[in-house]
Amino acid sequence: NAGVTQTPKFQVLKTGQSMTLQCAQDMNHEYMSWYRQDPGMGLRLIHYSVGAGITDQGEVPNGYNVSRSTTEDFPLRLLSAAPSQTSVYFCASTPGASQPQHFGDGTRLSIL
Amino acid sequence: RKEVEQDPGPFNVPEGATVAFNCTYSNSASQSFFWYRQDCRKEPKLLMSVYSSGNEDGRFTAQLNRASQYISLLIRDSKLSDSATYLCVVPPTSGTYKYIFGTGTRLKVLA
Repeated sequence: NAGVTQTPKFQVLKTGQSMTLQCAQDMNHEYMSWYRQDPGMGLRLIHYSVGAGITDQGEVPNGYNVSRSTTEDFPLRLLSAAPSQTSVYFCASTPGASQPQHFGDGTRLSIL
Repeated sequence: RKEVEQDPGPFNVPEGATVAFNCTYSNSASQSFFWYRQDCRKEPKLLMSVYSSGNEDGRFTAQLNRASQYISLLIRDSKLSDSATYLCVVPPTSGTYKYIFGTGTRLKVLA
């Protein structure tokens, strides 16, 4: 049982480049989320989805897009990378909004 | 008052010691809580869920004090492998989808 799988694990981009962070889960969870974690700060919600075809913004959505065409996949797109987006990105899923979240092992992203 | 507050530590304790962390929360409507552990820049992993007054799992005990709005995590017989950051998490209340994460308490268990 793979759980939540994120790819890539590491990525270096130049300012202005775009890329997609992949997230897939095999637990048939309805709810999926993207977080970023910066040194000394807690996890901050970027975007979330409560089911296929339904997405919404979290607290720090600017510069990111998401889509949810299937229950399994929830990709995060950086439209035009900026140094301020250098961070560790975690994808999480949960079967219900009051249940614990399961996290992927993260994507470490550096923007030069 | 912050939605969730934790003492950042670090708590430096010798192997075998008992250590406790507190987490205070502001929303009195919160019904359940989670403790996660996070190793250095790795993903958070669920340690315990707290749905009523408390929960115990081996060396770990979580207690909930609703009157004072705090959750505690007690670790007995500390191991070197317990060194990590412990995150307190409050799940969404009705009508929202916002998990509130504490910034974590760092624990270092010393040989």
